Parts: sequence; C-alpha cells; structure tokens
Amino acid sequence: EDQVTQSPEALRLQEGESSSLNCSYTVSGLRGLFWYRQDPGKGPEFLFTLYSAGEEKEKERLKATLTKKESFLHITAPKPEDSATYLCAVQATETSGSRLTFGEGTQLTVNP
Amino acid sequence: ETGVTQTPRHLVMGMTNKKSLKCEQHLGHNAMYWYKQSAKKPLELMFVYNFKEQTENNSVPSRFSPECPNSSHLFLHLHTLQPEDSALYLCASSHHGGTSYEQYFGPGTRLTVT
Repeated sequence: EDQVTQSPEALRLQEGESSSLNCSYTVSGLRGLFWYRQDPGKGPEFLFTLYSAGEEKEKERLKATLTKKESFLHITAPKPEDSATYLCAVQATETSGSRLTFGEGTQLTVNP
Repeated sequence: ETGVTQTPRHLVMGMTNKKSLKCEQHLGHNAMYWYKQSAKKPLELMFVYNFKEQTENNSVPSRFSPECPNSSHLFLHLHTLQPEDSALYLCASSHHGGTSYEQYFGPGTRLTVT
C-alpha cells in the first residue's frame, strides 16, 4: 500500500527565515510525486511534479527536490503570503487511472 | 470560466434531504475525481471517472452517488447523509493516458449536515 508521511505537521517561521518541509513516501514504483499548496477553505493549487530521483524544480521562493525515499520543499526567504498548508502526493506506476495518495500536509505560518 | 469550478460553494442540509454537488472542468481533461477532505485527515479519494466511465469507487457509502454525463461535468448526488459526512468535497480533473498526471482541483463545496 502506498504511504505518504509529511513533517513537521506545523511550522512557524519569521519572514526571511528559510526552511524545508519533508515528504517521505513508500510506493512500489513511483510514477510521480506532486506538491500542492492549499489556502484555508480553498482547493489545492498545483505547484510541482517530480518524476525521478535527483530531479529539482523551482518556482519563486520554492524549490522541490526528490530522492528515492523522500522529497523536500525548500522555502527561501519566505514571506507572509507563503502561509498555507503544503500537501505532498504520490502516484504509483501500477495505478490504473491517475490515483494519488496524499499526506496530511504541513501547515506553514510565516510571521512578518 | 477557467480551470475547475464547483457549485454550490457552501451547503447546509438535513439528514433527510437530497442535494447535488456540481463540478465542471474547462481544461480539456478526460479524467475527473471526487475527494473528501476532513479536518486533520489526508484527502480521501471517493470516485474516479476516466472518459465518463467510473473506474474507481473507494468503498464509498451508497448515500453518495456520482454521475458523469460527459468528460467536462461531474455530479455528486447526496441523500440521507450523516453528520460525519460534513466535510469539504473537492472535485479534480486530469489528463488520463498522457505524460503529465497532475490533478487540478476546484475550490470545493463546504458541506454541513445537521
């Protein structure tokens, strides 16, 4: 069974204080690992897809990296508007269709 | 309209009511999904439709009944719900069978069962 564990559950940062969120996963064969951002009361917003170990993707202050067992979402010099819950999900190669398995998320708060 | 839209955004219903949630995607995708999101829990996949055909029913109680008349529209019919069914219901869509598998989500319907 595919599993995704995210840590920490919650993270408080001061504006400009860089940090990383972790996503550990267990899957028989990885088709893709996905990062989403979710604001309160809204649907998840797609950020990145990573397909193979060693791959990195960047968007503004966010950088996602992937190894064979985990992914990190690095946040450089965060701003208050980066406050949100960040979700990680995996898709297995043997999945029929496009089933995603999600973690519980990391709630990020960036204080001014 | 762009992306994935859902109506209504908020719904309060009694346990004996019947209501429907609507989802529409404007992305040209051919797969659509219903998820349930409860507090402190990961997103739970409920149903998957590929090319209008239901391909997954994740052990969802029969009081939830999905309908997919075409690849752009998805409905979730609700009847005799329980208070524990109160949650955020999210619709998503993706391209099935291609090289990109990311799902795009709508804003959700916040359902409260009284």
